Amino acid sequence: DAMVIQNPRYQVTQFGKPVTLSCSQTLNHNVMYWYQQKSSQAPKLLFHYYDKDFNNEADTPDNFQSRRPNTSFCFLDIRSPGLGDAAMYLCATSRDHTGDGYTFGSGTRLTVV
Amino acid sequence: AQSVAQPEDQVNVAEGNPLTVKCTYSVSGNPYLFWYVQYPNRGLQFLLKYITGDNLVKGSYGFEAEFNKSQTSFHLKKPSALVSDSALYFCAVRDGWDSNYQLIWGAGTKLIIKP
Repeated sequence: DAMVIQNPRYQVTQFGKPVTLSCSQTLNHNVMYWYQQKSSQAPKLLFHYYDKDFNNEADTPDNFQSRRPNTSFCFLDIRSPGLGDAAMYLCATSRDHTGDGYTFGSGTRLTVV
Repeated sequence: AQSVAQPEDQVNVAEGNPLTVKCTYSVSGNPYLFWYVQYPNRGLQFLLKYITGDNLVKGSYGFEAEFNKSQTSFHLKKPSALVSDSALYFCAVRDGWDSNYQLIWGAGTKLIIKP
């Protein structure tokens, strides 16, 4: 089945140690998003790619970076994780700018120790 | 500016009773409306959407939602609740006339179905 896959499901990292979360999709969607979600709150958009065009949200900390080497893969890099970065990180895709909804991965739960 | 309000943090319903999860929105143009459900430690799953057409939209797992333009609402409903419907529900909107195509999310409503 076409889907969005996030690895790993659970990630524990040390304070200040760089960590990378990955997302892959078999939907061939143009757009890929990274969201941060804390404590059952609404997901907060960090950035997204439309094809190769990167779009950063104004309030996304510089500590967060992203890479999209091809259509199928997108990575979230946290350069120096702090305790406040512990959260669920959600990857989503959408076909384009139209009325299609998003397809989400199962998320990666990040713990910072 | 676009916005979404989910006025209830939590809704409690007895199994077998009808349920409603409320959502109101504000967009300056043409609303595209969505409902998503999130089970614990999982990503969000698409339930249904309204883009155009019939005001009553049917979606997954027996859920439906009614678009009410005059009240700017898009409430989620189900005639008979199941314990397995217990989850976190998010309403989202975007303005179909706006080139900024990102979804604006409500704060979420926790739905608890009691046996």
